[in-house]
Amino acid sequence: NAGVTQTPKFRVLKTGQSMTLLCAQDMNHEYMYWYRQDPGMGLRLIHYSVGEGTTAKGEVPDGYNVSRLKKQNFLLGLESAAPSQTSVYFCASSYENTGTGAKNIQYFGAGTRLSVL
Amino acid sequence: AQSVAQPEDQVNVAEGNPLTVKCTYSVSGNPYLFWYVQYPNRGLQFLLKYITGDNLVKGSYGFEAEFNKSQTSFHLKKPSALVSDSALYFCAVRPQNRDDKIIFGKGTRLHILP
Repeated sequence: NAGVTQTPKFRVLKTGQSMTLLCAQDMNHEYMYWYRQDPGMGLRLIHYSVGEGTTAKGEVPDGYNVSRLKKQNFLLGLESAAPSQTSVYFCASSYENTGTGAKNIQYFGAGTRLSVL
Repeated sequence: AQSVAQPEDQVNVAEGNPLTVKCTYSVSGNPYLFWYVQYPNRGLQFLLKYITGDNLVKGSYGFEAEFNKSQTSFHLKKPSALVSDSALYFCAVRPQNRDDKIIFGKGTRLHILP
């Protein structure tokens, strides 16, 4: 069972460079999320999607863009990387039954460790 | 402001002893409450959740948590700790009907001493 797969696992960027992080899930989940994890701060929601073709901002969206062209994939883009974006990035997905997805369990990928020099 | 507090950065417990990892929250209404565990170099894994009903919730690996509405707490507990329980534990809170809102605590590192 693959679950949620993130690529790449590690990346080093120079300030100003761009990159895309890929998240793929094989559980047919409707909802997908991107978080960043920083020491002593827990996880913070960057962007999320409640279905194919839809995206929305989370708590810390500035400097990031996302796309959900296919239900199974959720891409996180950094157009011009900054040292403040050095972090560990996690993707998660959850199913939806009725109403909102707030009560549902999230399934997380293994993370992408990004360093911006 | 809505928040989740895990007051202890680290908790040390001897193997076989009971453990408690504390979580309190400040969120309006009746939120949904979760505990997740993170092992080194891995993503978070779901342990248990409280949505409604019985205040004592049982989850994976023998963990349980008690929801206390008056104290706005959701402490994680286990009667007998194992060395393999050593990990980073996160409490998370979601306001009802808010897809855009999930608040994680900063995490508590649990060390189980052999």
